[in-house]
Amino acid sequence: KQEVTQIPAALSVPEGENLVLNCSFTDSAIYNLQWFRQDPGKGLTSLLLIQSSQREQTSGRLNASLDKSSGRSTLYIAASQPGDSATYLCAVNDQAGTALIFGKGTTLSVSS
Amino acid sequence: GAGVSQSPSNKVTEKGKDVELRCDPISGHTALYWYRQRLGQGLEFLIYFQGNSAPDKSGLPSDRFSAERTGESVSTLTIQRTQQEDSAVYLCASSWEQFFGPGTRLTVL
Repeated sequence: KQEVTQIPAALSVPEGENLVLNCSFTDSAIYNLQWFRQDPGKGLTSLLLIQSSQREQTSGRLNASLDKSSGRSTLYIAASQPGDSATYLCAVNDQAGTALIFGKGTTLSVSS
Repeated sequence: GAGVSQSPSNKVTEKGKDVELRCDPISGHTALYWYRQRLGQGLEFLIYFQGNSAPDKSGLPSDRFSAERTGESVSTLTIQRTQQEDSAVYLCASSWEQFFGPGTRLTVL
């Protein structure tokens, strides 16, 4: 059974720092890996989607990498801003279109 | 354009009552997913609809939970005889890319 773990559970950094969020999964036979952002009281917003054949995806200050063989992904956030404060969720699925299996998330707080 | 909408945004009910939660997906999206997020826990998959195919109900936690969807339109998630452990945020997503709605926060007293 696939399990997704995210470390750390919470992280506090000053504005401007570069930071890395970690995600690991137990079964390397994944189809997609997605990183989401969740703001309090709101739904999830997809940040980056990495297909199993890809190694990384970039969007603005965000870069996500995937090492499928070792069951790991990292989300790199450059020059963090207070507006980046949110919970970041990692999720995988094993076939096209199937439901995602989520980690519990990393709650990030960026202070100004 | 309009995103995924869910109603109600909040629902407080008494133990033993039935509740119905609604999800309006993005128009044209054939895939629709329901998830549950309990306090301090990750999202748990409940049920998945893909067009007119039989739904994947493998995530439903008990026979008190059921969901319907007609074609590619609105979906309703029904919880019968609610229990306190059903308290959670219920999230709906449409498309294989998983566009999420804002969720319904259910509190069972």
